[in-house]
Amino acid sequence: GENVEQHPSTLSVQEGDSAVIKCTYSDSASNYFPWYKQELGKGPQLIIDIRSNVGEKKDQRIAVTLNKTAKHFSLHITETQPEDSAVYFCAAPGIAGNTPLVFGKGTRLSVIA
Amino acid sequence: NAGVMQNPRHLVRRRGQEARLRCSPMKGHSHVYWYRQLPEEGLKFMVYLQKENIIDESGMPKERFSAEFPKEGPSILRIQQVVRGDSAAYFCASSPSEGAYEQYFGPGTRLTVT
Repeated sequence: GENVEQHPSTLSVQEGDSAVIKCTYSDSASNYFPWYKQELGKGPQLIIDIRSNVGEKKDQRIAVTLNKTAKHFSLHITETQPEDSAVYFCAAPGIAGNTPLVFGKGTRLSVIA
Repeated sequence: NAGVMQNPRHLVRRRGQEARLRCSPMKGHSHVYWYRQLPEEGLKFMVYLQKENIIDESGMPKERFSAEFPKEGPSILRIQQVVRGDSAAYFCASSPSEGAYEQYFGPGTRLTVT
């Protein structure tokens, strides 16, 4: 089955700097890669996702890149703000829609004002 | 998170009691997934259901745990004879249609077993 590794487990950045979180996956047939943000006491919120037919996707200050050959994908947050502080999870499914997600263990991002 | 509803938000049970967790998917969504999250851990898949059908229960313990998604009403995750190790946050997610990849999560139920 799919295995997802996520690094780093914790990340501290100064406000305004960029943050990068990386994930690797094992199943080369996986074709959908979402990122979730989880604030304390809340459920995971889908913030961006990418399909395997593109290499990069951006949404304002957030971007995700995908390298299918190397089987890794990354979340990039630019111009970080204190409200970006949260736990971020990457995930990958199997090879089709309606497939249960396999999550990384999460990255606790702290943005220091 | 908008739209997926879970209740109760917090549930305290003594060892040996039963816990019932409810999930109402987003309007128009007919696919429901249950995940469990232990402190400082990622989410682990438990069970995937469509209306009146269990599609994949490979992540759910075979004993004491059951799930249903009836034709009418919310999906229910039921844990019988709870033990301390069942203490966790349980999240429900829904997706909109056949073949859809996106899953949207509810706020979770935090179960504490005393």
